[in-house]
Amino acid sequence: EAGVAQSPRYKIIEKRQSVAFWCNPISGHATLYWYQQILGQGPKLLIQFQNNGVVDDSQLPKDRFSAERLKGVDSTLKIQPAKLEDSAVYLCASSPPRANSGANVLTFGAGSRLTVL
Amino acid sequence: AQKVTQAQTEISVVEKEDVTLDCVYETRDTTYYLFWYKQPPSGELVFLIRRNSFDEQNEISGRYSWNFQKSTSSFNFTITASQVVDSAVYFCALKRYSTLTFGKGTMLLVSP
Repeated sequence: EAGVAQSPRYKIIEKRQSVAFWCNPISGHATLYWYQQILGQGPKLLIQFQNNGVVDDSQLPKDRFSAERLKGVDSTLKIQPAKLEDSAVYLCASSPPRANSGANVLTFGAGSRLTVL
Repeated sequence: AQKVTQAQTEISVVEKEDVTLDCVYETRDTTYYLFWYKQPPSGELVFLIRRNSFDEQNEISGRYSWNFQKSTSSFNFTITASQVVDSAVYFCALKRYSTLTFGKGTMLLVSP
């Protein structure tokens, strides 16, 4: 099966500019996640979707970050305006629908590396 | 609140040595899942193992083995006879319902 697709792989912008990342999860995966991984740290959850609804966005800086999953399939994460501290890898992951959600294994994409100058 | 601690930031070994990566977690839940992921230089997180909180049996998969001890809230990962291809960052993670919380990772460098 095809994996989680993400684009672009790399993006360099200046602070205060905007950027958007795209993610296409594995077919049939109802849950989609966006994680932020700053260099030298573990991934941190930004937002989680179940189909096209938001399950958890408690750690999403909503003044500058937004995400949508309009048709319950692919998703876009936007940053506007970007700050220097937003330099990180943005990882998208998906997991299948299952009664016991705790057991679900997340499959990750290769990530989108953002550098803010 | 959930927390995962990987106290070892970086470990360097020579090929064929055994190495253990430590993971300690905190949770008030009785039902949870523990995971290990590998992140090679390419950047993609690769799933290695999942263990539920009611299953304390150790597991061995080839050169990899995992030791889950609920009494000490630890889920350690051992690589036997390490190889250069094992060089990567390894993450331990805790999952409650659908939320996965990662530790900061341990970078393993295996030199020839």
